[in-house]
Amino acid sequence: GENVEQHPSTLSVQEGDSAVIKCTYSDSASNYFPWYKQELGKGPQLIIDIRSNVGEKKDQRIAVTLNKTAKHFSLHITETQPEDSAVYFCAASSNTGNQFYFGTGTSLTVIP
Amino acid sequence: DGGITQSPKYLFRKEGQNVTLSCEQNLNHDAMYWYRQDPGQGLRLIYYSQIVNDFQKGDIAEGYSVSREKKESFPLTVTSAQKNPTAFYLCASWVPDRNTIYFGEGSWLTVV
Repeated sequence: GENVEQHPSTLSVQEGDSAVIKCTYSDSASNYFPWYKQELGKGPQLIIDIRSNVGEKKDQRIAVTLNKTAKHFSLHITETQPEDSAVYFCAASSNTGNQFYFGTGTSLTVIP
Repeated sequence: DGGITQSPKYLFRKEGQNVTLSCEQNLNHDAMYWYRQDPGQGLRLIYYSQIVNDFQKGDIAEGYSVSREKKESFPLTVTSAQKNPTAFYLCASWVPDRNTIYFGEGSWLTVV
């Protein structure tokens, strides 16, 4: 089955700096890679996703890049703000079986 | 207002008791999922259901049971056989046109 690894587990940045979270996956059949943001005591919220037919996708201050050859994808947050502080999860999925495999999460702290 | 509704938000269980967590969605989604999240940990799949009257075990199904009698409902029962049930439980449903999943707000279960 698929194995998704996520690094780092914790990340602290100064407000205004950039933050990068990286994930790797093992199953070459995976073709969909969503990122979720989870605030304390709440359910994860989808913030951006990318499919295997593109290499990069951007939405305002967040972007995701995908390297299919190396089987890794990354979340980039620019101009970080205190409200970006949360736990971020990456995931991988394929078209078969609607199965989603999650990374172990990154706790991001943005220091004002 | 559409979405995934989990209830109760907080639940306390005495040892030896069974408890049931509710998950309802009015989004007409076929697939639904239950995940367990321990503090500071990632998401682990308990059970999932692709269609009504069908469900599959996930990675940590022991001590849990589910039913899927209606498309919009996927309740999770935490049985007395689950030795360490204190956790945050998340229900999710699959969005076919985006091939992604959305989460409810979660339920906290504490054994007292």
